[in-house]
Amino acid sequence: GAVVSQHPSRVICKSGTSVKIECRSLDFQATTMFWYRQFPKQSLMLMATSNEGSKATYEQGVEKDKFLINHASLTLSTLTVTSAHPEDSSFYICSAILRDISLGYTFGSGTRLTVV
Amino acid sequence: KQEVTQIPAALSVPEGENLVLNCSFTDSAIYNLQWFRQDPGKGLTSLLLIQSSQREQTSGRLNASLDKSSGRSTLYIAASQPGDSATYLCAVFNAGKSTFGDGTTLTVKP
Repeated sequence: GAVVSQHPSRVICKSGTSVKIECRSLDFQATTMFWYRQFPKQSLMLMATSNEGSKATYEQGVEKDKFLINHASLTLSTLTVTSAHPEDSSFYICSAILRDISLGYTFGSGTRLTVV
Repeated sequence: KQEVTQIPAALSVPEGENLVLNCSFTDSAIYNLQWFRQDPGKGLTSLLLIQSSQREQTSGRLNASLDKSSGRSTLYIAASQPGDSATYLCAVFNAGKSTFGDGTTLTVKP
């Protein structure tokens, strides 16, 4: 079945540094990927929609300059948290549409970011 | 703006019981609805996907129904097992994006 690989699964970084999270579709081409953020005991909040070869579409309230998204190929989207602060600590998950939305989404395994 | 509500927020049952999880949404113009399972600290595993034109989908001990006009979906789990313990999320897709409920945390006691 379709697999989305997300890396790293856990990362601890110092405040002020930047962290890059990768999301790869392993056996299909993903023209659209999505990035979510999840706080403890809360649901997923869509941060942005990543489109291959074009700029990402950010949801209201999400800082574009802080959460940089690049979707340079049909199998890779990256999320870079720039100048991370403790309040950026969260669980970040990516997903991709399986060819078209009628087939639903497949999700990565998530990245636990802790900023100290 | 689409809103998705899941009831109950938490559920604890003894092993072997059948149970129903509920999901409601405010905008019935959805493209599809998807149920997921999330284990603590993990990503999401898709369980069932129901297209807007369908009324139910079944996979093993799981059955999901969809009543689009009333904005409701249910996930039925038969003969629950301790391994079913997880958080179950429903998500609806419309207007080019997905909206998730807050989930139901299920605990199945041996």
